[in-house]
Amino acid sequence: EPEVTQTPSHQVTQMGQEVILRCVPISNHLYFYWYRQILGQKVEFLVSFYNNEISEKSEIFDDQFSVERPDGSNFTLKIRSTKLEDSAMYFCASRRRTVNTEAFFGQGTRLTVV
Amino acid sequence: GDSVTQMEGPVTLSEEAFLTINCTYTATGYPSLFWYVQYPGEGLQLLLKATKADDKGSNKGFEATYRKETTSFHLEKGSVQVSDSAVYFCALTAYQTGANNLFFGTGTRLTVIP
Repeated sequence: EPEVTQTPSHQVTQMGQEVILRCVPISNHLYFYWYRQILGQKVEFLVSFYNNEISEKSEIFDDQFSVERPDGSNFTLKIRSTKLEDSAMYFCASRRRTVNTEAFFGQGTRLTVV
Repeated sequence: GDSVTQMEGPVTLSEEAFLTINCTYTATGYPSLFWYVQYPGEGLQLLLKATKADDKGSNKGFEATYRKETTSFHLEKGSVQVSDSAVYFCALTAYQTGANNLFFGTGTRLTVIP
């Protein structure tokens, strides 16, 4: 069964460092998303991506964040200068089309900023 | 804007007890509704969905009915098992331009004790 894969599963970084979280969405999917979940809290939307551009982004997704789909396969989330409050589980998701179809989520990357 | 309000947890039940987790929504259009489950240490998995009013989604003994008149999508299971212990998220997506993001509730942690 096709699945969304995320790497690494756990990343520890020092405050102020750049991190890149990687995702490989399901191959025939068209819509891509990043969500985050701070420990024990709700799943928050960060950004959606379609047709090689950002479709929508939340207030959380400020200038420190960027996304890229560099090669038609990977979908990356970059945090330019990490802060302690960026520590969270980051989930990538993809959908074949929208509205009535489910989003498939990866296992997540746990980011710990120290 | 579109949102989901979910019953606060945590919920602790004995095995074979009846489960209800309440979920109500606010949406400007006609949303599709989902329940996702997150088992310990894992990502989000779709549990069930309903795409129009009066639809009933079901999977693994869980059910939820899309009630437009009460804007609700409550999750039920007649007899829970220890293996059902997880966090359950209600979510919606409504047709809009763009990538039609999923909006999640806060999650309800269920613990089933033998």
